[in-house]
Amino acid sequence: GAVVSQHPSWVICKSGTSVKIECRSLDFQATTMFWYRQFPKQSLMLMATSNEGSKATYEQGVEKDKFLINHASLTLSTLTVTSAHPEDSSFYICSASLVGGSYTFGSGTRLTVV
Amino acid sequence: DAKTTQPPSMDCAEGRAANLPCNHSTISGNEYVYWYRQIHSQGPQYIIHGLKNNETNEMASLIITEDRKSSTLILPHATLRDTAVYYCIALTDSWGKLQFGAGTQVVVTP
Repeated sequence: GAVVSQHPSWVICKSGTSVKIECRSLDFQATTMFWYRQFPKQSLMLMATSNEGSKATYEQGVEKDKFLINHASLTLSTLTVTSAHPEDSSFYICSASLVGGSYTFGSGTRLTVV
Repeated sequence: DAKTTQPPSMDCAEGRAANLPCNHSTISGNEYVYWYRQIHSQGPQYIIHGLKNNETNEMASLIITEDRKSSTLILPHATLRDTAVYYCIALTDSWGKLQFGAGTQVVVTP
């Protein structure tokens, strides 16, 4: 089946630094990808939608200058958390829509900012 | 997209069928019902989706009422590995934004 590979699976960074999370579609072309974050004991919250070759669309309340999304190719989308702070610590998950009506998800990245 | 309502939690005995209800009373005619599940600290996993007809695949069955105001996901023989949060989502089309509610925490016990 269609697989989205997400890296890293976990990362610890210092406050004020930036972290990049990558999602690659391994055996299909992902025209549209979605980024979510999930705080402990909460549901997934959609952050943004990215379309290959164009600017991402952010959900209300998500700072686009803080969460930089790049979708420069049909197989790679990246999320960069800039100037990370402890409140950005969360579980970040990417997703791609598939022909046929389903969505496939990456395995997630656990970000801890210290 | 229509709001869905699910019970917050349910327990199920291993080997028995698990029936997970979902209410979507405001669903419109072109909205699909999707089911996903999330095992702790993993990305969500697609289970099944349908529009009007009942659907079955290797993982589960989806029963949608005739008026489409509710549906039931059936795991025919629950195993311990089926312990997860199950999400029912109504979505207009396959390129839309999948928005997750609180879901149902299912715990399968021996």
